[in-house]
Amino acid sequence: EAEVAQSPRYKITEKSQAVAFWCDPISGHATLYWYRQILGQGPELLVQFQDESVVDDSQLPKDRFSAERLKGVDSTLKIQPAELGDSAMYLCASSPGQGRNYEQYFGPGTRLTVT
Amino acid sequence: RKEVEQDPGPFNVPEGATVAFNCTYSNSASQSFFWYRQDCRKEPKLLMSVYSSGNEDGRFTAQLNRASQYISLLIRDSKLSDSATYLCVVNTYVDSSYKLIFGSGTRLLVRP
Repeated sequence: EAEVAQSPRYKITEKSQAVAFWCDPISGHATLYWYRQILGQGPELLVQFQDESVVDDSQLPKDRFSAERLKGVDSTLKIQPAELGDSAMYLCASSPGQGRNYEQYFGPGTRLTVT
Repeated sequence: RKEVEQDPGPFNVPEGATVAFNCTYSNSASQSFFWYRQDCRKEPKLLMSVYSSGNEDGRFTAQLNRASQYISLLIRDSKLSDSATYLCVVNTYVDSSYKLIFGSGTRLLVRP
């Protein structure tokens, strides 16, 4: 069964450092999402791509976060500089397209700890 | 007020019990509804979609009441393996795109 791949699975970094996460969606999935999940809460959307274009980044803290999907396939999410409050699980998801009934498939996530 | 609200639990039930989770959502324009399951330190996975007519998948039954903006999940004959967090999810069309809005989840513990 095809899966969404993410790396690294775990990352510990000091505050003020830069950190990057990578996601490879299921082959053929045009829509890619990055979510942040703080412990005890549900995932919150950071950014949504349709192919290589950003569809929604309204919840992305653009002063420190950036995301790209240059060729419309894999994607990178970067944080610079990291802050203590960024400690969370970062989840990538993909779906065949946008729409009310498309299922989103999640990757295993990257657990970030900022010290 | 959160867009999707759930009782965080935990619900601690014995094997074989029936347990029900409830969820309310605030945006009346929400278009589709789901329950996701999330095991500890794992990613969320789709459990089932929720339809106005109600739908059943084995031991799981989901109901949607659009008038009350209320969603429910019923689990019959609970198994130890049902222990997880259950996320209520609403798909809403906002700012020219569909967006999944997640509740904070309800934690279920099934004991022997």
